[in-house]
Amino acid sequence: AQSVTQLGSHVSVSEGALVLLRCNYSSSVPPYLFWYVQYPNQGLQLLLKYTSAATLVKGINGFEAEFKKSETSFHLTKPSAHMSDAAEYFCAVGVGTGGFKTIFGAGTRLFVKA
Amino acid sequence: DAMVIQNPRYQVTQFGKPVTLSCSQTLNHNVMYWYQQKSSQAPKLLFHYYDKDFNNEADTPDNFQSRRPNTSFCFLDIRSPGLGDAAMYLCATSRPGSEETQYFGPGTRLLVL
Repeated sequence: AQSVTQLGSHVSVSEGALVLLRCNYSSSVPPYLFWYVQYPNQGLQLLLKYTSAATLVKGINGFEAEFKKSETSFHLTKPSAHMSDAAEYFCAVGVGTGGFKTIFGAGTRLFVKA
Repeated sequence: DAMVIQNPRYQVTQFGKPVTLSCSQTLNHNVMYWYQQKSSQAPKLLFHYYDKDFNNEADTPDNFQSRRPNTSFCFLDIRSPGLGDAAMYLCATSRPGSEETQYFGPGTRLLVL
């Protein structure tokens, strides 16, 4: 069965500092992996996705994530945090066809300090 | 712009009073999903439609039903809302050949009094 574990329910960084949000997955087949961002009282916005092409995936807003099969990880990074990055971030794994099923991690809330 | 629209954004209902949440899309996607997201939790899939085929998750309570009268619209019916059903309800769509990419609406926050 597929699952996702996000390490740290809350992460706090200073503006301009490196952002690192950790995600580990378990999947019996090569997975699709995603990072979504959710701002308060809004829906989810796709930041980036891994679909078995390049292991380093670049997304929107300067975020990127690296797929490491040996570590079953898909950590999200951004070199320099901005105040507008403060939000909830969800890592997810996707499986199946004919109605794709996305399984979300518990989420990590990112705080950015001025 | 093509998008997923959810109305209303906020819905208040009374304990036990049926309520319907609506989702519409201009993307012409054939798959539509409903997720429930409780406070500070991950979204949880309730069910999805692949065209007209309804797929219910095994642990979705019977209190939750859905209708999809056409490609563009999908409804979530909660027959007898309980206090525990207060949550954000998210609608999403995807298209054939790229089903891994889901497009989410802004959500409807349901409050049960």
